[in-house]
Amino acid sequence: GENVEQHPSTLSVQEGDSAVIKCTYSDSASNYFPWYKQELGKRPQLIIDIRSNVGEKKDQRIAVTLNKTAKHFSLHITETQPEDSAVYFCAARPGGNEKLTFGTGTRLTIIP
Amino acid sequence: GAVVSQHPSWVICKSGTSVKIECRSLDFQATTMFWYRQFPKQSLMLMATSNEGSKATYEQGVEKDKFLINHASLTLSTLTVTSAHPEDSSFYICSAKSGTSVSYNEQFFGPGTRLTVL
Repeated sequence: GENVEQHPSTLSVQEGDSAVIKCTYSDSASNYFPWYKQELGKRPQLIIDIRSNVGEKKDQRIAVTLNKTAKHFSLHITETQPEDSAVYFCAARPGGNEKLTFGTGTRLTIIP
Repeated sequence: GAVVSQHPSWVICKSGTSVKIECRSLDFQATTMFWYRQFPKQSLMLMATSNEGSKATYEQGVEKDKFLINHASLTLSTLTVTSAHPEDSSFYICSAKSGTSVSYNEQFFGPGTRLTVL
């Protein structure tokens, strides 16, 4: 089955700087890659997603890049703000399968 | 749109008792629902996938006789933790997916249920 690795596990960034979180996946048939933000004790919230026919997608301060050949995708947050502090999870969905496989999570802390 | 609710939001029970958690899609019909378990500071681990009117598909290592899943309608799925033990204490989160939604890939998550077994 699919295996998703995520790095780093923790990340501290000065407010205003950029943060980058990276994930790799194992199943070349995976075609959907969402990113979730989860605050303590709350539900995961979808913040951005990308499909395998697209290399990059941007939504305001958030962007995701996908390299299908290398089987990795990254989340980029620019101009970070204190409210960006949370745990971020990447996920991958193999083609023809409804299941999502989640990465191990990155705890992002924005330092004011 | 695309709101998923869970009930209860938290529950404390004694060891050996059973606990039922409900997951409802409030404004759409959920063709598929998923149940996850999340231990503190860990990732979401899929327990099972359920489709309305059929038996749930459990992930490897998840005891189907212990974690009973029923998806009786397109808006309701229930997870019953039978004979709960302290090691079952966790955050249980459901998600729902609609085959007819515009974002057909997206899963919509419930707010989670924190189970504590004494």
